[in-house]
Amino acid sequence: AQTVTQSQPEMSVQEAETVTLSCTYDTSESDYYLFWYKQPPSRQMILVIRQEAYKQQNATENRFSVNFQKAAKSFSLKISDSQLGDAAMYFCAYRSASGNQFYFGTGTSLTVIP
Amino acid sequence: EAGVAQSPRYKIIEKRQSVAFWCNPISGHATLYWYQQILGQGPKLLIQFQNNGVVDDSQLPKDRFSAERLKGVDSTLKIQPAKLEDSAVYLCASMPYWGKTEAFFGQGTRLTVV
Repeated sequence: AQTVTQSQPEMSVQEAETVTLSCTYDTSESDYYLFWYKQPPSRQMILVIRQEAYKQQNATENRFSVNFQKAAKSFSLKISDSQLGDAAMYFCAYRSASGNQFYFGTGTSLTVIP
Repeated sequence: EAGVAQSPRYKIIEKRQSVAFWCNPISGHATLYWYQQILGQGPKLLIQFQNNGVVDDSQLPKDRFSAERLKGVDSTLKIQPAKLEDSAVYLCASMPYWGKTEAFFGQGTRLTVV
């Protein structure tokens, strides 16, 4: 089974600053999808950003962008201009293009300091 | 578009009692997942349905957990009898049958076994 590793259990950032959350994964497949989900205290997992492995261009969604390094199997999330509402758990997830199962990392708890 | 609905939001039971959780996925989503999320960890897949058939239940403790998806729409997850270590958040998610998309999550049920 694929494994997803998030090596930062906790991170903090000053409001308006930039923070990067790390994620690495292990796979032998060439076609897959990677996701970052946000889980606030309300518990509902919300998609932040999605990257398709066959696309070389890094995905961007407003203040959120990724650095996708396919050869290194690395998928980091950069949050620019951090806001108080960004405080949450962030999970990195992998899904094979040929299947529907998701593999999640252990999460990074992000604190935003006013 | 209505999201994934789950009930109840919270449940407290004594060990050895039984409990059931309900999930109504997004209309038209063929794939339905049940995840267990223990505090501080990432979601762990319990069971995955494709329409009303089971795709993967390899991590479902079948001696105490059961799940069904009636008519390929809503689903119930049951625990009988519950153990202390079953205390967790139970997340339901759904996804269209195929595509480059993410899974959509409900708000989860927080189960406390005392």
